[in-house]
Amino acid sequence: QVHLVESGGGVVQPGKSLRVSCAASGFSFSSFPLHWVRQAPGKGLEWVALISYNGKYEVYADSVKGRFTISRDNSKNTLFLQMNSLRPEDTAVYYCARQPSGLSHFDSWGQGTLVTVSS
Amino acid sequence: SYVLTQPPSVSVAPGQTARITCEGSDIGEKTVHWYQQKPGQAPVLVLYDDRDRPSGIPDRFSGSNSGNTATLTINRVEVGDGADYYCQVWDNSGDPYVFGTGTQVTV
Repeated sequence: QVHLVESGGGVVQPGKSLRVSCAASGFSFSSFPLHWVRQAPGKGLEWVALISYNGKYEVYADSVKGRFTISRDNSKNTLFLQMNSLRPEDTAVYYCARQPSGLSHFDSWGQGTLVTVSS
Repeated sequence: SYVLTQPPSVSVAPGQTARITCEGSDIGEKTVHWYQQKPGQAPVLVLYDDRDRPSGIPDRFSGSNSGNTATLTINRVEVGDGADYYCQVWDNSGDPYVFGTGTQVTV
């Protein structure tokens, strides 16, 4: 059974940095592209970033480009999101999600980790 | 960037049919996916590639996509179907993965 567990969320001041993680189990981690999707309180879903199965290809939403970095450690079945220069509008629950290879949807999601950017 | 518009809310009685629309320019030329999200929970995929259901999703959930509108239909609605629903597509301009604005279904 696919299992994705995010961690590392918390309260951080504007302009500071935070790294969130997503530990995966129950599937061949290195075979799947992975994403971060976020949801601000009371708002809809917003795609954040994609990393290819081997980590060589990354794509970012315009709203985070140049500030966030997605990465993965296939030896540890873990996905990361390094968030720098955080802004109050980055406050959200951050979900990791799996994409089936060759398709364009997200078939499994973690439970999310809340990041709050506030002074 | 590509925009997907959904009605903010849909209300339906138990046993009836709920239809949730997702409007986008020539969306019929794209493949649409649908997610269900209950309060405090992560989204769950309920339909992919316009009309395919993941394992475990009842056949009461169906989809269509043509022209400028994709539709998620829930037949014989149950109280447990009450949730927020989001459509999603892949687009080759702007941000590649786009979600709709979301629809709250009240049963």
